[in-house]
Amino acid sequence: AQTVTQSQPEMSVQEAETVTLSCTYDTSESDYYLFWYKQPPSRQMILVIRQEAYKQQNATENRFSVNFQKAAKSFSLKISDSQLGDAAMYFCAYRNHPDSGAGSYQLTFGKGTKLSVIP
Amino acid sequence: NAGVMQNPRHLVRRRGQEARLRCSPMKGHSHVYWYRQLPEEGLKFMVYLQKENIIDESGMPKERFSAEFPKEGPSILRIQQVVRGDSAAYFCASSSGTDVYQPQHFGDGTRLSIL
Repeated sequence: AQTVTQSQPEMSVQEAETVTLSCTYDTSESDYYLFWYKQPPSRQMILVIRQEAYKQQNATENRFSVNFQKAAKSFSLKISDSQLGDAAMYFCAYRNHPDSGAGSYQLTFGKGTKLSVIP
Repeated sequence: NAGVMQNPRHLVRRRGQEARLRCSPMKGHSHVYWYRQLPEEGLKFMVYLQKENIIDESGMPKERFSAEFPKEGPSILRIQQVVRGDSAAYFCASSSGTDVYQPQHFGDGTRLSIL
């Protein structure tokens, strides 16, 4: 079974600064997908960014980028120019490749990192 | 273009009562997933349904929990004889398929509190 570990229960960042959230995972699969979800106080789960394991290039979405280290099974999220609206719980999630068979649609989540943005 | 709609947003039940949580998927989505989020935890997969079929219920507790997704109407997660440990946020997600480029879109969740 796959596991996802987020070792930072809480983080804080000054507005306009950069912060990196850590995530490691464990899997025996070679092809899979990784995600970062944001959960603001409203509780809605919002997809922030997605990375395919077969791609060496790190995914970026505007101010959000990842550092994907496949050999180390590490998938960190970098938020640049932090804004007050970035304050939320951030969850790292894993999903098997569809070709891996049953359960490949399941998302496995870490416990989350609570990010505070200081004005 | 409405997203995934869950209701109620908050549900309070006494021990022993039944809880019914509803989820209307996004328009055009026929795949529904239920996840449970316990306090201080990430979301845990419970069940995956397509119209009128349960595809995978490997994450569902063996007793008291059931789910359905009828041909017409919303998906329902039913918890019978609730206990304090059922207190959690229950999230529904939907997708148009299971390919990773058909991502799961989440609702706002139902927070279930058991007195």
